[in-house]
Amino acid sequence: GDSVTQMEGPVTLSEEAFLTINCTYTATGYPSLFWYVQYPGEGLQLLLKATKADDKGSNKGFEATYRKETTSFHLEKGSVQVSDSAVYFCALAGKSTFGDGTTLTVKP
Amino acid sequence: GAVVSQHPSWVICKSGTSVKIECRSLDFQATTMFWYRQFPKQSLMLMATSNEGSKATYEQGVEKDKFLINHASLTLSTLTVTSAHPEDSSFYICSARSGRAWNEQFFGPGTRLTVL
Repeated sequence: GDSVTQMEGPVTLSEEAFLTINCTYTATGYPSLFWYVQYPGEGLQLLLKATKADDKGSNKGFEATYRKETTSFHLEKGSVQVSDSAVYFCALAGKSTFGDGTTLTVKP
Repeated sequence: GAVVSQHPSWVICKSGTSVKIECRSLDFQATTMFWYRQFPKQSLMLMATSNEGSKATYEQGVEKDKFLINHASLTLSTLTVTSAHPEDSSFYICSARSGRAWNEQFFGPGTRLTVL
């Protein structure tokens, strides 16, 4: 069945550091891919998405490119801020198969 | 747009009582709604999928008699935890999908349930 493998956390970075959170998937066909963010005590918010191969989703300085060849959808940000501290989930469309989540802590 | 609300945001109840959680799509019609459970520092576990006007489809291992789901209208789904016990304490999150944005889910803010 469909599955998502997400980089294990937690990840701790200093402010303005570069962020990469790896995500690879296994799926039938080419489903849409998503990154969600969950701030402490809150539900999930859609961060960005890509609906087909080579699409790049971007939002709030975060980017992810749908790579069909490597079945990956890695999340990147060039300069993280303290306010980016949260849990990040990679997900497939459909029933939304989720990765296990990666906790990011950014220290000033 | 695409706002989903949940009520209550948190609830504390005694063991043996039942608790109802509401999930509403505020500005769109949700043909499908999903209920998830999230344990501390863990990912979301899909409990069930509900389509308006039909019975919910439960994931393997989820007790349908314990977690009653009703999707009575295109904007409302309810999850009732019956005869709650402390092990049912968790963060419950719903999401909704419209017919137009078929491949995207919109999440509610979650409900924190604590069973004493």
